[in-house]
Amino acid sequence: QSALTQPASVSGSPGQSITISCTGTGSDVGGYNYVSWYQQHPGKAPKLMIYEVSARPSGVSNRFSGSKSGNTASLTISGLQPEDDADYYCSSYTSRTIWEFGGGTKLTVL
Amino acid sequence: QVQLVESGGGVVQPGGSLRLSCAASGFNFFSHHIHWVRQAPGRGLQWVALISPDGNNKYYADSVKARFTISRDNSKNTLYLQMNTLGPEDTAVYYCARGVSYSFEYWGQGTLVTVSS
Repeated sequence: QSALTQPASVSGSPGQSITISCTGTGSDVGGYNYVSWYQQHPGKAPKLMIYEVSARPSGVSNRFSGSKSGNTASLTISGLQPEDDADYYCSSYTSRTIWEFGGGTKLTVL
Repeated sequence: QVQLVESGGGVVQPGGSLRLSCAASGFNFFSHHIHWVRQAPGRGLQWVALISPDGNNKYYADSVKARFTISRDNSKNTLYLQMNTLGPEDTAVYYCARGVSYSFEYWGQGTLVTVSS
């Protein structure tokens, strides 16, 4: 059982927007602005999409955005494209100087 | 460009040991925190360990503490993970990842560790 809670799956049609939530506690998500999001295609290594809640690394599309409210962080993908079909994981730094991941969300682009 | 290449995975019997390596290139290795993250087959990501740039500070997940040791050789641009007393629950792809702003910025392609008799 993962420390951070994500929905197991979400889906959307091309062009639509979807949001994936990531719920923790005041000791992780709620206590620090160190939430990050990762995209993983089958058989590939994860790729950093968002760090520090809402910052985008160079080269990541601005269709990807992050936010946080209380103990819940969110990843929003707008203008869904077929290549967005992948697993998405959130991660947070914690008060115990460790990192936690969510269980992952399978995004299906219909 | 930044490259991280893991090696050393394989099949090991329960109770055995294995040492993983992660060769880095394309950046100033000595300036960065580096993590190990693992992923069991068909499962999610699990953070394993972190080492500071100078190697003096190390942090571990509870599940591996006292069994795994992270280390680095900055003269060789290489990260290591010594894994002892391995159990079936340690079966996973092990990734090394460069840390930045409390996130995992660049990842290697991973090396598979299988613990089985």
